[in-house]
Amino acid sequence: GIQVEQSPPDLILQEGANSTLRCNFSDSVNNLQWFHQNPWGQLINLFYIPSGTKQNGRLSATTVATERYSLLYISSSQTTDSGVYFCAVETANAGKSTFGDGTTLTVKP
Amino acid sequence: EADIYQTPRYLVIGTGKKITLECSQTMGHDKMYWYQQDPGMELHLIHYSYGVNSTEKGDLSSESTVSRIRTEHFPLTLESARPSHTSQYLCASSEPPPNTEAFFGQGTRLTVV
Repeated sequence: GIQVEQSPPDLILQEGANSTLRCNFSDSVNNLQWFHQNPWGQLINLFYIPSGTKQNGRLSATTVATERYSLLYISSSQTTDSGVYFCAVETANAGKSTFGDGTTLTVKP
Repeated sequence: EADIYQTPRYLVIGTGKKITLECSQTMGHDKMYWYQQDPGMELHLIHYSYGVNSTEKGDLSSESTVSRIRTEHFPLTLESARPSHTSQYLCASSEPPPNTEAFFGQGTRLTVV
């Protein structure tokens, strides 16, 4: 099956700093999503981005499907950004998503 | 607005009890999923469904079972809970193709003592 690798596994930032999270995948995908898992365990949709670039406030994401990677940018980080960020991909015939191992972000005040 | 609900949010139960975790969505999605996640770890797909009367095993073997009698409802059942079942269980549903965006419920944290 498809392999999904996220980097870095852990990231510690000072409040106000910018960061880039990466998601590499081993096959062509027709669906890619970024999620933020909050401290209560809920997965919050950030972006549905099988290709191209999207922005939502301080967050933006870019997926380069031909090169099989996606990037999540967080600017001016806040303590509430802390949590685990997951990338999930779905191939055309899989019918289900495969998640990466996540990046744990800690933003310190 | 995406609406998918899981109940209970937290459950502490004794070994050997039968439990059912509820998941309902109001978006009319055909596809639904159950994931299991231990604290700080990755998500593992344990069950999914393409629609009514469809259930499939996921990537991780699980002693739980699911049913899909109605589009909006996808309950997960453990016939005899064990401490090894302690985990968080996340339910999701997704849009139909070509946009297969998935939405998650708030999760159920299960502790079996």
